[in-house]
Amino acid sequence: AIQMTQSPSSLSASVGDRVTITCRASQDITNDLGWYQQKPGKAPKLLVFAASSLESGVPSRFSGSGSGTDFILTIDNLQPEDFATYYCLQDYIYPPTFGQGTKVDIK
Amino acid sequence: EVQLVESGGGLVQPGRSLRLSCTASGFTFADYSMSWFRQAPGKGLEWVGFIRSKVYGGKADYATSVKGRFLISRDDSKSIAYLQMNSLKIEDTAVYYCTRDSRIVGIYFGGQGTLVSVSS
Repeated sequence: AIQMTQSPSSLSASVGDRVTITCRASQDITNDLGWYQQKPGKAPKLLVFAASSLESGVPSRFSGSGSGTDFILTIDNLQPEDFATYYCLQDYIYPPTFGQGTKVDIK
Repeated sequence: EVQLVESGGGLVQPGRSLRLSCTASGFTFADYSMSWFRQAPGKGLEWVGFIRSKVYGGKADYATSVKGRFLISRDDSKSIAYLQMNSLKIEDTAVYYCTRDSRIVGIYFGGQGTLVSVSS
């Protein structure tokens, strides 16, 4: 199975900050990567698909980039509702595999 | 709007069986592969298995941890995917989510999940 290495595992940030989260795949996955936000007790919410395409209804302060093995999720102008855990997920090949998650909390 | 409603979870003893359902709406169910994922308390997300659309043969594949115990099926006429869980173990305790899978628009979690607790 493809291994997804996500970093950092946690970070503290303030409202208005820019946050970047990275994900590295153990092999080339072209652009078959999604980014998800999860809040306690809720299902993961798709933010970005195909590495850089914003899901409908997701604020434009979220953006994704990368291809091949290295990917980045950027959150500009962090808002209070953005404090959550973020996951990358490769869907290049089954089994789809997640990164370990990045918990973003308030500094 | 894509909606997926998981149901059928509950408390069950080790070794027993449970069937989960995923009722879909807002898209043409028959056109999509469907996956099941799970999340144990305080843990990350794990893929359980998926079933292809009939166009791609309708076959299911499973994670090693559940192969031989779990079965995924689908009823395209009702827009429902099922997860039959047999010989349940304590380590199967988790919230189970179904997803709509697309090579174009990614894997979509559209429901709230259903909690399965395996305990004696």
